[in-house]
Amino acid sequence: DAKTTQPTSMDCAEGRAANLPCNHSTISGNEYVYWYRQIHSQGPQYIIHGLKNNETNEMASLIITEDRKSSTLILPHATLRDTAVYYCIVRSVNSGGYQKVTFGTGTKLQVIP
Amino acid sequence: NAGVTQTPKFQVLKTGQSMTLQCAQDMNHEYMSWYRQDPGMGLRLIHYSVGAGITDQGEVPNGYNVSRSTTEDFPLRLLSAAPSQTSVYFCASSSRWKVPGGGYTFGSGTRLTVV
Repeated sequence: DAKTTQPTSMDCAEGRAANLPCNHSTISGNEYVYWYRQIHSQGPQYIIHGLKNNETNEMASLIITEDRKSSTLILPHATLRDTAVYYCIVRSVNSGGYQKVTFGTGTKLQVIP
Repeated sequence: NAGVTQTPKFQVLKTGQSMTLQCAQDMNHEYMSWYRQDPGMGLRLIHYSVGAGITDQGEVPNGYNVSRSTTEDFPLRLLSAAPSQTSVYFCASSSRWKVPGGGYTFGSGTRLTVV
């Protein structure tokens, strides 16, 4: 599985958009980009995933560059409850076997009142 | 509600004691895995299972045993607890056949302290 690189921490003003970048320059053609977040010390929570098209759901938007080497998670109107660690991972769609996915240290997003 | 259930939520052990962390899921997921998370660090894979009767090692398997006798359950056993095993342990499950829509579902964690 491709490794990902994320900034260690970011701040965002409450009500503004939070843009969290992720670099995955070695991603292969059959790997999806997934985003999770971990609030306090709870279990990580799935947010969104995508292959090459931009995706949007009720929680966030995911923008993937055309070459798929990087992506950005967008929280359109950040609230204090969005303060969390955000993980970007890549995972193969090949269901022939288990993928040993590595969750790095992620980006700690602090939403400021 | 469907999901991953971990027990206990908190545990204090003395060095050398053994114990089993329980994990159960009711989503009929084939894949289950155990992670540990130390303060300020990401999640590291301990062991995983691709189905009943099949387990394998992750990044940090030493000191832990697992078994998978049913699809639903995936217990993690600490053989002889050491202070270095003080951590938060997360169990996760995922579906083989719903990839890519089937992401990981995590339990709420077990906070283990070894004194």
